[in-house]
Amino acid sequence: SQTIHQWPATLVQPVGSPLSLECTVEGTSNPNLYWYRQAAGRGLQLLFYSVGIGQISSEVPQNLSASRPQDRQFILSSKKLLLSDSGFYLCAGTGTANSGANVLTFGAGSRLTVL
Amino acid sequence: ILNVEQSPQSLHVQEGDSTNFTCSFPSSNFYALHWYRWETAKSPEALFVMTLNGDEKKKGRISATLNTKEGYSYLYIKGSQPEDSATYLCAFHTGGFKTIFGAGTRLFVKA
Repeated sequence: SQTIHQWPATLVQPVGSPLSLECTVEGTSNPNLYWYRQAAGRGLQLLFYSVGIGQISSEVPQNLSASRPQDRQFILSSKKLLLSDSGFYLCAGTGTANSGANVLTFGAGSRLTVL
Repeated sequence: ILNVEQSPQSLHVQEGDSTNFTCSFPSSNFYALHWYRWETAKSPEALFVMTLNGDEKKKGRISATLNTKEGYSYLYIKGSQPEDSATYLCAFHTGGFKTIFGAGTRLFVKA
């Protein structure tokens, strides 16, 4: 079965500082990987998805970027954080076995507070 | 823009009460409808994957129905227990790579 590891779990950063959230996958090769954000009182907003190494699709214009340097590694970054980047970020993946129905396995999440 | 709506936003029930909540989604380009349970301090976990109009799924005291023609799904919990307290997320999948989530229904079950 697929396991998603995500870190750090909690992050407090000043406005204008850089960001790097990392996600790694165990148990599946060539997964589709996703970054979601949950802002307060809202659902999960899809930020980026990747179907393979170096392949990134962005869903919303924003201050963030994503990269997939290895098959099982997905990174969310920013060069300069904004207050509006605060939120709860979840990495998710689909495994080869259930990719047809796109059932997602989630990491534990990273709570980012920008001050 | 694909929109998935869930209601109510939150729900407070007593232990033993039965409850249900709604997910509305676009009736076109339907591929699958997922329900996830998200407990505090844990990751969201898949409850049901529903693909056919009229589908009914059940897991213990929790069940779900699906109407793809009118674009809604209901989640039912029979005899709610405190451990059922969680946020229940509905997600719509069009068959591509994207899964669109609703805002969730937050359930509080009081002992």
